[in-house]
Amino acid sequence: EPEVTQTPSHQVTQMGQEVILRCVPISNHLYFYWYRQILGQKVEFLVSFYNNEISEKSEIFDDQFSVERPDGSNFTLKIRSTKLEDSAMYFCASRARQGAFMNTEAFFGQGTRLTVV
Amino acid sequence: EDQVTQSPEALRLQEGESSSLNCSYTVSGLRGLFWYRQDPGKGPEFLFTLYSAGEEKEKERLKATLTKKESFLHITAPKPEDSATYLCAVQVRGSQGNLIFGKGTKLSVKP
Repeated sequence: EPEVTQTPSHQVTQMGQEVILRCVPISNHLYFYWYRQILGQKVEFLVSFYNNEISEKSEIFDDQFSVERPDGSNFTLKIRSTKLEDSAMYFCASRARQGAFMNTEAFFGQGTRLTVV
Repeated sequence: EDQVTQSPEALRLQEGESSSLNCSYTVSGLRGLFWYRQDPGKGPEFLFTLYSAGEEKEKERLKATLTKKESFLHITAPKPEDSATYLCAVQVRGSQGNLIFGKGTKLSVKP
């Protein structure tokens, strides 16, 4: 069964360092997302990406964050200068299509646990 | 402001003891309501999509229903392997598919 793959599963980084989280979405999907979940809190939307550009982003997704789809298969989230409060589980998700009246479900990866020390 | 509230926060059941989880939502326009299951340290696993009031979906011991203000996830004769956090999420009309999640209900089923 197709699945969203994320690497690494766990990343520890020093405050102020740059990190890149990687995702391989399901191959025929067109819409890509990043979410995060701080320990004990709800899953929060960060950014959506379609047709090689950001289609929507939340207030959390400030200038420290960027996304890229460099080669048609990988989808990356970069945090330029990590802060302690960036420590969270980061989930990548992908979706097949968005029709006029119906939506398909989003499939999530297993996440990358980012720990900033 | 678009909002999703789930209750209870935690639910402990005996194996075979049926119950329901609630998800109430306040959104400007509902595009779809989604139920996910999340195991500890894992990503959300898709269960159901509901689009309009009156709709119902079933899968094994789970049944999801939708009204204009809330959704219920009914669990019939649960087993220990149903223990997980159940997440409700909505997509708002006009958005690009991003989901607004509730905090979830942590379900524990004891044998």
